Amino acid sequence: DAGVTQSPTHLIKTRGQQVTLRCSPISGHKSVSWYQQVLGQGPQFIFQYYEKEERGRGNFPDRFSARQFPNYSSELNVNALLLGDSALYLCASSGDRENYEQYFGPGTRLTVT
Amino acid sequence: QKEVEQDPGPLSVPEGAIVSLNCTYSNSAFQYFMWYRQYSRKGPELLMYTYSSGNKEDGRFTAQVDKSSKYISLFIRDSQPSDSATYLCAMILTTDSWGKLQFGAGTQVVVTP
Repeated sequence: DAGVTQSPTHLIKTRGQQVTLRCSPISGHKSVSWYQQVLGQGPQFIFQYYEKEERGRGNFPDRFSARQFPNYSSELNVNALLLGDSALYLCASSGDRENYEQYFGPGTRLTVT
Repeated sequence: QKEVEQDPGPLSVPEGAIVSLNCTYSNSAFQYFMWYRQYSRKGPELLMYTYSSGNKEDGRFTAQVDKSSKYISLFIRDSQPSDSATYLCAMILTTDSWGKLQFGAGTQVVVTP
């Protein structure tokens, strides 16, 4: 049974550019969450989507946006990249309306130069 | 002060020893508690989750929650070199029961043969 998949695996961008990261949840899961993990720190919550509706947003600037598609896959977009956006971006999916059990994908490692 | 505190380690133990990990938190509204394992450059893997105070056991892993002290623990019995990883505690507030995880910074564990 496939787990959460994310693409691309690695990405190198220049300051000021825009990036789109993609996530496919576990089959049957309707909720997708995005987290940012800077080296040496725990993941920080960015967004959660459930049934294509935004259910929560973390303390991130408006340069960060996301959406969920009818097949429950999701995209995270980051505009006007800054050096500080360099991090591992993690996607997690869960199947229940109250998401105690969240399963993470392998992440996309973004480097901004 | 962070809401979830976790000693970053590293914690080094010999193979076969008990690994003892803990997190403290400041907000008494945290209601759900999880432990994740993260290997280098990989996504976090859910090990256990618990609700409210008490113990929960799963194989070599035991999770404890003491809500009166705002303290949670994870014990790993008969540790193996394959247990070498970063262990992250995570919690969910009652008001965020839809699933916003708040993580500690993670404790790096090294099990030496």
